[in-house]
Amino acid sequence: AQSVTQPDIHITVSEGASLELRCNYSYGATPYLFWYVQSPGQGLQLLLKYFSGDTLVQGIKGFEAEFKRSQSSFNLRKPSVHWSDAAEYFCAGGSSNTGKLIFGQGTTLQVKP
Amino acid sequence: NAGVTQTPKFRILKIGQSMTLQCAQDMNHNYMYWYRQDPGMGLKLIYYSVGAGITDKGEVPNGYNVSRSTTEDFPLRLELAAPSQTSVYFCASSYSSGRTNSPLHFGNGTRLTVT
Repeated sequence: AQSVTQPDIHITVSEGASLELRCNYSYGATPYLFWYVQSPGQGLQLLLKYFSGDTLVQGIKGFEAEFKRSQSSFNLRKPSVHWSDAAEYFCAGGSSNTGKLIFGQGTTLQVKP
Repeated sequence: NAGVTQTPKFRILKIGQSMTLQCAQDMNHNYMYWYRQDPGMGLKLIYYSVGAGITDKGEVPNGYNVSRSTTEDFPLRLELAAPSQTSVYFCASSYSSGRTNSPLHFGNGTRLTVT
């Protein structure tokens, strides 16, 4: 069955430190993968997406993610975290023949000053 | 451009009551979705629609109904509210399916409490 897993429920990093949020997927074929961010009381905003081609994708707010087929992963990274990055982050995978997205459980990022 | 608009923002229901969560989008998107978000569970798809007059079940459709009479509107109906339906509900829309790499646009959510 198709699934998206985010192993880390909660992560705390210091401001200025690097960040990596993990995402693993289980799909038969190459999925369409997304990272969304949710600030408190808000809807979800798209950070970046992987469709095909270059496996390193750049997104908004200085985020990037790398698609690694051999590891079934699509980890989100940022070289230097800002306090405003504190939020909940969702990885999502798209089916190849429908519009349905499957979401991971989410990772809450806390940023220490 | 308003995007995806959800109403109401908050609602408290008693067990057994019914209500409709409204969702409207002004981007002429064909695809619309309803998700519920529970702590630690991510977002679960309730129902989705690929166009006016067409709806289909998602992962957790029990206890809900939808209709799609126009491209713009996709209301979600709860007929007999139960405490298990306490959640935050998000409506989303996209231009096309995941096959064409069309991202979702989300509303700001409706927080529903059933007591």
